[in-house]
Amino acid sequence: AQSVTQLDSQVPVFEEAPVELRCNYSSSVSVYLFWYVQYPNQGLQLLLKYLSGSTLVESINGFEAEFNKSQTSFHLRKPSVHISDTAEYFCAVRGANAGGTSYGKLTFGQGTILTVHP
Amino acid sequence: DSGVTQTPKHLITATGQRVTLRCSPRSGDLSVYWYQQSLDQGLQFLIQYYNGEERAKGNILERFSAQQFPDLHSELNLSSLELGDSALYFCASSVEGQGGDGYTFGSGTRLTVV
Repeated sequence: AQSVTQLDSQVPVFEEAPVELRCNYSSSVSVYLFWYVQYPNQGLQLLLKYLSGSTLVESINGFEAEFNKSQTSFHLRKPSVHISDTAEYFCAVRGANAGGTSYGKLTFGQGTILTVHP
Repeated sequence: DSGVTQTPKHLITATGQRVTLRCSPRSGDLSVYWYQQSLDQGLQFLIQYYNGEERAKGNILERFSAQQFPDLHSELNLSSLELGDSALYFCASSVEGQGGDGYTFGSGTRLTVV
């Protein structure tokens, strides 16, 4: 089984400032890792994912996340945020070779609300 | 538009009643997942179907049931509703059963039990 801890429930920042949203996971097997974003009154959208290969993954809108196996972390970063980045961000994990009763299940963290102030 | 369609968007019903939530997956996706999102529990996995068969089960209550039909749409049935069942219910889909590329989520059904 896997679990995810998002260390900050809320992160307020000013526009154009850098931001880091922290995510730690626990798993006894290799994992796939994801970040999703949820804007108000909308569903979750996939922001970026780590499946294998380079430990640094990037999204099309300037976010990046780095998989750190030794620290079991997958923190999300952006060097300069915009007002439009205000949303809730969810880190998620699943076993890389999941089968049985957890076949395709994603386990989500509790979410981090990012609020960008002008 | 993500391509995953959920209906209805909002539902208000009384305790003890039964409701059906519907999900049409993105074209080409064979797997459907149901999640419940509430303030106190966060996003909780309920159940997964792949090409009509149940593949994985989470903490789904016995009062809840789901199925995936031959045309791949899925329905989540909630019965004997309680106030605590009020939540956002999301459906997601993926091409294959393991969700390795992540899911595509619908916009959700907001259920309010009064």
